Amino acid sequence: EIVLTQSPDFQSVTPKEKVTITCRASQSIGSRLHWYQQRPDQSPKLVIKYASQSISGVPSRFSGSGSGTDFTLTINSLEAEDAATYYCHQSSSKPGTFGQGTKVEIK
Amino acid sequence: QITLKESGPTLVKPTETLTLTCTFSGFSLRTTDVGVGWIRQPPGKALEWLALIYWDGDKRYSPSLQTRLTITRDTSKNQVVLTVTNVDPVDTATYYCALGMEIPPGATGVFDYWGQGTLVTVSS
Repeated sequence: EIVLTQSPDFQSVTPKEKVTITCRASQSIGSRLHWYQQRPDQSPKLVIKYASQSISGVPSRFSGSGSGTDFTLTINSLEAEDAATYYCHQSSSKPGTFGQGTKVEIK
Repeated sequence: QITLKESGPTLVKPTETLTLTCTFSGFSLRTTDVGVGWIRQPPGKALEWLALIYWDGDKRYSPSLQTRLTITRDTSKNQVVLTVTNVDPVDTATYYCALGMEIPPGATGVFDYWGQGTLVTVSS
């Protein structure tokens, strides 16, 4: 089973600041890495798929990069509505696995 | 419009079998490369991948839970059912079903759409 480790676990950020979250896989997964946003008391929502592919309807301030074992989710110019926990998810192996989550708080 | 909705009991007793149903609309589970999965989230904790059923009926399970999980589909009713046997309080969680629209062969795919989730508590 592939283990995904996110860092940091928690980040407190001022509006308009840039946020960077990393996800490291225990073995190479190519580009089969996806990012979800989960706002409080809501279900997860896909924000980036296959490491860097944008999703229709998701603000352009969300971007992703990486391949192999190291991946990054970047939120440029953070807005209040971006307060959420972000999870990475790999679909390279069976089963799929999720990272432990990164909580982003607005200062 | 694609929607998924989970349903099932909110409270089950230890050792009982939990049966959850995902009822969906806006897509067909007969469509090539489509899959529906189950993911759970204990209160305050991370997401956990449980099971996936593919368009062709193939199935995949989490190895740690494989002996207790069964995923099935009823394409005529647009439903996917997950059963969890011999439940324990550690199975208390919100259970989500989710749709993968383009699942490559040999992989498990991204979840493009999620249901609202259903909270299941295991307690005597």
